[in-house]
Amino acid sequence: SQQGEEDPQALSIQEGENATMNCSYKTSINNLQWYRQNSGRGLVHLILIRSNEREKHSGRLRVTLDTSKKSSSLLITASRAADTASYFCATVQGAQKLVFGQGTRLTINP
Amino acid sequence: DVKVTQSSRYLVKRTGEKVFLECVQDMDHENMFWYRQDPGLGLRLIYFSYDVKMKEKGDIPEGYSVSREKKERFSLILESASTNQTSMYLCASVGTVVTEAFFGQGTRLTVV
Repeated sequence: SQQGEEDPQALSIQEGENATMNCSYKTSINNLQWYRQNSGRGLVHLILIRSNEREKHSGRLRVTLDTSKKSSSLLITASRAADTASYFCATVQGAQKLVFGQGTRLTINP
Repeated sequence: DVKVTQSSRYLVKRTGEKVFLECVQDMDHENMFWYRQDPGLGLRLIYFSYDVKMKEKGDIPEGYSVSREKKERFSLILESASTNQTSMYLCASVGTVVTEAFFGQGTRLTVV
C-alpha cells in the first residue's frame, strides 16, 4: 500500500508563481522526505524533515510537517521552467521500508 | 560523487524469459531497494534488502525475486517475464539510517 499520497496529481502554473504540493501518510514516522524526478530519470533527494520539526527551508523550497494531521506540504517559490518535474514524498515504515506516493506532476509554463 | 548504477538503461525481453536487472552502489550502504514505476501509480516497492543475503518483500513481490550476495550489488530477477512486467525499474540505496536515498538512472524494460 502507498504510504504517501500526493495531492494534486498534476499542477500547471506560470513561471514566477508559487507551487504547493501536499502529501498525506498513514503511520507514524521518523522523517518525511521529498524527491524530484525529471522525465524518465531516477529520483533526486530534495529535503528531509524530521518528525519533531514543523518547518524547514532549503533555497526556494519550504517544507512543512503536521504530524497531528499526518500531512506535509512542499512549497516551491518563484517557480522556474526548470522546476518542471514530478515530485514525490517518501516515508519509512518500520526501520527500513522506504515507500513513496504517486507523485505530483508539476508543469511550469514560461 | 556517490553512485548507483543500473546495468541497462533500456531492455527488451521476450515473454517467458528469465530477466536479471543489476544494481551496484559504491557508498557501502546497508539498504537497497527495487521499485517499479508505472504511469499514475507512482513508485511501488518490489523488494528491499537491509544487509547481505537479507531481503524483505515489498508491496508487489509477485513474479519477482532478488539476490544480494555482496553488499554493493542487488539484483532483481523476473523468473518468467510477462507483458505486465513492462515498466520502468528503479534501484535505490540508503545508509544504515533510512534518510537520503540515492537512485540509479532506471531501466526501462519492455516484455514482448
